[in-house]
Amino acid sequence: GAGVSQSPRYKVAKRGQDVALRCDPISGHVSLFWYQQALGQGPEFLTYFQNEAQLDKSGLPSDRFFAERPEGSVSTLKIQRTQQEDSAVYLCASSLAGLEQFFGPGTRLTVL
Amino acid sequence: DAKTTQPTSMDCAEGRAANLPCNHSTISGNEYVYWYRQIHSQGPQYIIHGLKNNETNEMASLIITEDRKSSTLILPHATLRDTAVYYCIVRVSILTGGGNKLTFGTGTQLKVEL
Repeated sequence: GAGVSQSPRYKVAKRGQDVALRCDPISGHVSLFWYQQALGQGPEFLTYFQNEAQLDKSGLPSDRFFAERPEGSVSTLKIQRTQQEDSAVYLCASSLAGLEQFFGPGTRLTVL
Repeated sequence: DAKTTQPTSMDCAEGRAANLPCNHSTISGNEYVYWYRQIHSQGPQYIIHGLKNNETNEMASLIITEDRKSSTLILPHATLRDTAVYYCIVRVSILTGGGNKLTFGTGTQLKVEL
């Protein structure tokens, strides 16, 4: 069956531009997570949704980062006024009620 | 979640067993040990998890010491496709009302060679 998909796979932005990253979770998965992975590091938690409710956003690094999941399925991570330090791979994962998380391939964001 | 310690890198010959250690000396009684791996340019992939008993599935075996302060992930017959970063993660089960997020460290880079 279809896994978690993310788009775009690669994104280059000029410093100061806004970007939107999309995640399509596995159908029926109520939990959705966003992680940020810097080069050579493990993924770091950003935020978590259960259906459309954002239950934990403690990992969002600044108020320039915003995530939504309005209908409890597709999610979008938006970064406003991108900075060079935002360059990373952004990973989305989904799961059924706390069971193992299934990850997408990630979006590699490069901010010039 | 408790902190884990893993070696930075390991090598293994193809066809041999790969044994990846993990220390989690501050693990609590309600915390599980999870293993994920990340092949280059892919997202992490779930491998296995356990509480205190040894576990086995089609991918690997997980051996947890009796005091639960350390564990070993075993890939019985490593292949070149098993080359990846392996993450050992300790987390509370959601079923006990714990948090959902995974806290990754830097993991072990396993290189399987001919």
